[in-house]
Amino acid sequence: QVQLVESGGGLVKPGGSLRLSCESSGFTFSDYYMNWIRQAPGKGLEWISYINSSGLIIYYADSVKGRFTISRDNAKNSVYLQMNSLRPEDTAVYYCARGFDYYGSETNDGLDIWGQGTMVTVSS
Amino acid sequence: DIQMTQSPSSLSASVGDRVTITCRASHSITNYLNWYQQKPGKAPKLLIYAASTLQSGIPLRFSGSGSGTDFTLTISSLQPEDFATYYCQQSYSQTFGGGTTVEI
Repeated sequence: QVQLVESGGGLVKPGGSLRLSCESSGFTFSDYYMNWIRQAPGKGLEWISYINSSGLIIYYADSVKGRFTISRDNAKNSVYLQMNSLRPEDTAVYYCARGFDYYGSETNDGLDIWGQGTMVTVSS
Repeated sequence: DIQMTQSPSSLSASVGDRVTITCRASHSITNYLNWYQQKPGKAPKLLIYAASTLQSGIPLRFSGSGSGTDFTLTISSLQPEDFATYYCQQSYSQTFGGGTTVEI
């Protein structure tokens, strides 16, 4: 069964740090891009980062650049999001999602498998 | 960055209605456009990719069209399970539209 399971969310004070994990199963993890997307309470989806299969290509949204770091461990079938200098506006459900390419070009064209999400609350 | 604008932000419809949601990109994205459905408390689900290709397992009443800057998601005959929020997403810089909530 193809599955992604996030963990590591919780309550953290402004300025604090948190590390999210996303473990995959049911597919060859090392073949795919992986993404993190978040959704603030009552708001829409915001893509925040992706990492390619080898870990050599990484992009961030401007809203998290310099504060968040994405990484992956293909031996553990897992992708991570290290979040530093957290702000109240980072409060959201964080989803990991598998990226796929339309035409075999090894690009991140769509998000076909999503985890259930993990809640991060930044508050004093 | 490429901005994605969805319209309407919400709509009311009845079972059996034909529903159309529009997504406009601030720059041409050729056909690099995806549509997702999200129900309350659940993760989004991919419906359509490459503007018009139906994801495996998605009912045929869903269809997508468009290229360049203007795209459309159509539900040909709305079913009770289709009441949800729909998002478009472009693949160049990954941004999502603001969402369209389809309500009864």
